[in-house]
Formats: sequence, C-alpha cells, structure tokens
Amino acid sequence: GEDVEQSLFLSVREGDSSVINCTYTDSSSTYLYWYKQEPGAGLQLLTYIFSNMDMKQDQRLTVLLNKKDKHLSLRIADTQTGDSAIYFCAEMRGNQFYFGTGTSLTVIP
Amino acid sequence: EAGVTQFPSHSVIEKGQTVTLRCDPISGHDNLYWYRRVMGKEIKFLLHFVKESKQDESGMPNNRFLAERTGGTYSTLKVQPAELEDSGVYFCASSPTRPSGGEQYFGPGTRLTVT
Repeated sequence: GEDVEQSLFLSVREGDSSVINCTYTDSSSTYLYWYKQEPGAGLQLLTYIFSNMDMKQDQRLTVLLNKKDKHLSLRIADTQTGDSAIYFCAEMRGNQFYFGTGTSLTVIP
Repeated sequence: EAGVTQFPSHSVIEKGQTVTLRCDPISGHDNLYWYRRVMGKEIKFLLHFVKESKQDESGMPNNRFLAERTGGTYSTLKVQPAELEDSGVYFCASSPTRPSGGEQYFGPGTRLTVT
C-alpha cells in the first residue's frame, strides 16, 4: 500500500526501553527519518538513517532498518518522562516526505 | 539561528470564511514545504517551493487552496472559502538547497479550526 504504518500508542515505565516500530512502503527510499513532536511544539528531527545502513546509534537512540521487510524501528534507552511525545517516522520518495500517523509515547513515572 | 516560524499559531474561522497562513523559513533555505495533519491521521504533503517557484503541488487538495512565495522568502497559504474538512494542523518546513541527509526543518504548525 501507500501508507507508512505505525501503531498509535505506546506506554512504558520510566527507566525502561521504548521501541517504536514503523513499516514503510518504498524499498527505494533513500532516507528514513524519525521526528518527535512534543505538545504544542513543531516536529523536531531526531535522527535519520541512510538506506544502505542497518543501524544507527546516537546516545540513547538506536535506529534499526530492515530493508527486506521495509521495517524501521526507534529504540529509546532509559526512557524519561521528557520523552513523552508523538513520534513520526517518515520516508522520502522523490522530494516528498511520507509520514506515518505517529505513535504517542506515554512515559509512566 | 532562528528556526521555521509560522503565524498564527491557532485560527478559528467559520465555514465559508477566508484564512491566510504564513510561514517564514530558515534564512537561506531555498526549499519550502507545506504539510497538513488532519486529526489523528498522517501528515500529508501539500506542496513544495524552490525559491519562488512551485516545484510540486501534487498534494494540494483542491482549488480553494492557494500558496504563494513571492520573492522566495516567506510563504502564504490561503484557504478560500474554508470548509469543515480543512480543519487540522498546517506545518511548514524548509531545507537548504542540498541537505546532507534530505532532512527538513519544521515549524510549530498552525492549528486551523473551521466551525
């Protein structure tokens, strides 16, 4: 299909790891992205991964890419209450971004 | 460096009225994009400017939407006349001519409510 898919909600306890999953559509997408939206704020670019990479790590964030299954995941280690937000994955096709519906992450203290 | 700014942050109008949204991209960014998120759904592409030219407007829903970017700096998105289904959050994004990772920088969005 044409949709980038994400589950809508995720709840984790503070200190645990969070894993947010995404299935994208175009195996030829060059870059895949994770954006974070905090309440009342815009979309903040968290990280992106080039399609020839399997993994990218940046401090508490780990991105895993499975091109065969067109599956992208974002792992947040030691999740904090400040990580509560909506997380969007996106793929670039041509010059257009295609976003998922966003996953609302709730961190329980 | 200032980020992408959008004005207003929130607009409430009645069906049939006109609303104009404004976006100021990051200084020096030639690429400017408009997106829209209808409640609970994905963020959808509307159009893309390169400087003052429309590069791709395939996502514009209908001719009630008019986007301009005179002078290649800020952009406006006018909805006339507004309908109920136009309610949502309108995001603007910008990027430099050759972004290293294709990334786009987003503004905080304008929440449009049509009643």
